[in-house]
Amino acid sequence: QVLLQESGPGLVKPSETLSLTCDVSGASLSSHYWSWLRQSPEMGLEWLGYMYYSGFHNYNPSLKSRITISISVSKKHFSLNLASVTAADTAIYYCARAFPVPAAGIYFDYWGLGTLVTVSS
Amino acid sequence: EIVMTQSPATLSVSPGERATFSCRASQSIGTNLAWYQQKPGQAPRLLIYGASTRATGVPARFSGSGSGTDFTLTISSLQSEDFAVYYCQHYNNRPPWTFGQGTKADIK
Repeated sequence: QVLLQESGPGLVKPSETLSLTCDVSGASLSSHYWSWLRQSPEMGLEWLGYMYYSGFHNYNPSLKSRITISISVSKKHFSLNLASVTAADTAIYYCARAFPVPAAGIYFDYWGLGTLVTVSS
Repeated sequence: EIVMTQSPATLSVSPGERATFSCRASQSIGTNLAWYQQKPGQAPRLLIYGASTRATGVPARFSGSGSGTDFTLTISSLQSEDFAVYYCQHYNNRPPWTFGQGTKADIK
């Protein structure tokens, strides 16, 4: 059974960096793609980015240079860093396993429970 | 960016009835479409990928169809546990991969 669990601060100050970790069990981080998404009433569900353990990655252009995803195979987790946050980054953040489709993109077959992050001073 | 539009926003259905959810893409995406179910306080759950293939463990009452720009999710006989919000997501070959705004199935 594949399980994902997000962890990290629930409150981040404006202009600071949001950092979250996703612990994975039941699947090898070196065998799949791993992704972050978020959900807010204003923006709905939004894909943020994904990474493969080799370092291959793809980020949502809307986040420009603010996002970094990293993976630790030995620690069985992957992480999200989102810099220079504003109130617009307030959302439930989900980690998910991304399933790549040849000559296409990715969909998400396993999700974490999600964690609410509020950006406020 | 491909925009996904779902209709209606809310679908009022009686238990046992057929429910049909629509999703339209702003440009052709072939069959690169997934459907998800989300219940309150839970993460989305993958139901359908490839526009019509059920994910592991998804009951046969769920079916998907369509290609190009117009897609449909059908629940043949709505059960009490099916009242939830349903989202479509495209995964065409150019990111970002985007979701529709969702259709809520509620009890009529």
